[in-house]
Amino acid sequence: GAGVSQSPSNKVTEKGKDVELRCDPISGHTALYWYRQSLGQGLEFLIYFQGNSAPDKSGLPSDRFSAERTGGSVSTLTIQRTQQEDSAVYLCASRPTGTGAYEQYFGPGTRLTVT
Amino acid sequence: KQEVTQIPAALSVPEGENLVLNCSFTDSAIYNLQWFRQDPGKGLTSLLLIQSSQREQTSGRLNASLDKSSGRSTLYIAASQPGDSATYLCAVPSGGSNYKLTFGKGTLLTVNP
Repeated sequence: GAGVSQSPSNKVTEKGKDVELRCDPISGHTALYWYRQSLGQGLEFLIYFQGNSAPDKSGLPSDRFSAERTGGSVSTLTIQRTQQEDSAVYLCASRPTGTGAYEQYFGPGTRLTVT
Repeated sequence: KQEVTQIPAALSVPEGENLVLNCSFTDSAIYNLQWFRQDPGKGLTSLLLIQSSQREQTSGRLNASLDKSSGRSTLYIAASQPGDSATYLCAVPSGGSNYKLTFGKGTLLTVNP
């Protein structure tokens, strides 16, 4: 079946502009995650959505970062007033909910370059 | 704060060799440990997930072990092939959660034909 998809695959933006990154999780997966992968830092957790519960935003690095998940499916990660240090690959993952359903399934990522 | 370390950072082996990748974590109160593979420019593919109550998991030529008390996991790859070349990452849930993963920085594996 279809996996997690992300768009765009690549995004180049100028410093100070806003960007939106999109994630389409696997159908029926109620949990959705955003991670950031940057050189030298490895993979970092950003935010977690589970059903209708309040999201866990503890990994967002600043208030320029926000995310929404509409209708329990598609999610958008928004970065306002982008900075060069925001350049990274942004990965989305989803997970089904159920006993023992811990495995996370990742999308291909969006490579963001801030010039 | 959970920290995950992977050794070695890079490994190059000839085709056919068996090899071991290492992962250590500082907080042993984990729900599970997951091994992933990442190909250049691609997302992560889950290889194996070991629950905290398990000692090992096997999938084909891959075998992952978990020693929770010592904070260690190994990923054993038998009869390596050039197609195994990738970055291998281990991750554990952290912060008392069963979902917020902390990742190691990975081992870059190159299998030479």
